[in-house]
Amino acid sequence: AQKITQTQPGMFVQEKEAVTLDCTYDTSDPSYGLFWYKQPSSGEMIFLIYQGSYDQQNATEGRYSLNFQKARKSANLVISASQLGDSAMYFCAMREVSGSARQLTFGSGTQLTVLP
Amino acid sequence: EPEVTQTPSHQVTQMGQEVILRCVPISNHLYFYWYRQILGQKVEFLVSFYNNEISEKSEIFDDQFSVERPDGSNFTLKIRSTKLEDSAMYFCASTTGQGLTDTQYFGPGTRLTVL
Repeated sequence: AQKITQTQPGMFVQEKEAVTLDCTYDTSDPSYGLFWYKQPSSGEMIFLIYQGSYDQQNATEGRYSLNFQKARKSANLVISASQLGDSAMYFCAMREVSGSARQLTFGSGTQLTVLP
Repeated sequence: EPEVTQTPSHQVTQMGQEVILRCVPISNHLYFYWYRQILGQKVEFLVSFYNNEISEKSEIFDDQFSVERPDGSNFTLKIRSTKLEDSAMYFCASTTGQGLTDTQYFGPGTRLTVL
């Protein structure tokens, strides 16, 4: 079973509008962390936002916020007031307590295109 | 702001050749990782390294791969005899700890092309 599922291979949004990128996850660990990374066409991986499984409030970081619904096992990224520079691939990732290395497990990504 | 650096940015090699990919993690970080991303696919974990030894590795990380921290700053990934399917972007990442809130910071990646 996939641990991280991103069902939207591609999304389009008009500049200045908000967009939600979906992420669902599967884990039996009570403690885990959820991360979103941005990968522009240049290829680097840029950390955007983090949500912990025990966090009571949804994480926010500037124009990025996380709509965390624990019972549904979803951690959707919301980008408000989209900018042309937001066009990139976005990856959702999870880090679980189990496993000695606590490496990140990534989803397949969503390619976001912001239209002028 | 400190950042993870990787060299080279792009490496082209012939099948069967050895390659060494280099990374300089953020200086106060203690845990180091290599990930791989085949073109158009998801990012996959290869190996983690702590206290001068491998702490975990994936099934991708077979005997052709090795990692080393030869000095206090560099962290290298060696592929002994490259195959066509090793063509990918290789990312190094580092973090201060293994707490769930410890963010892994990624380098810009090395694009490896095996001909």
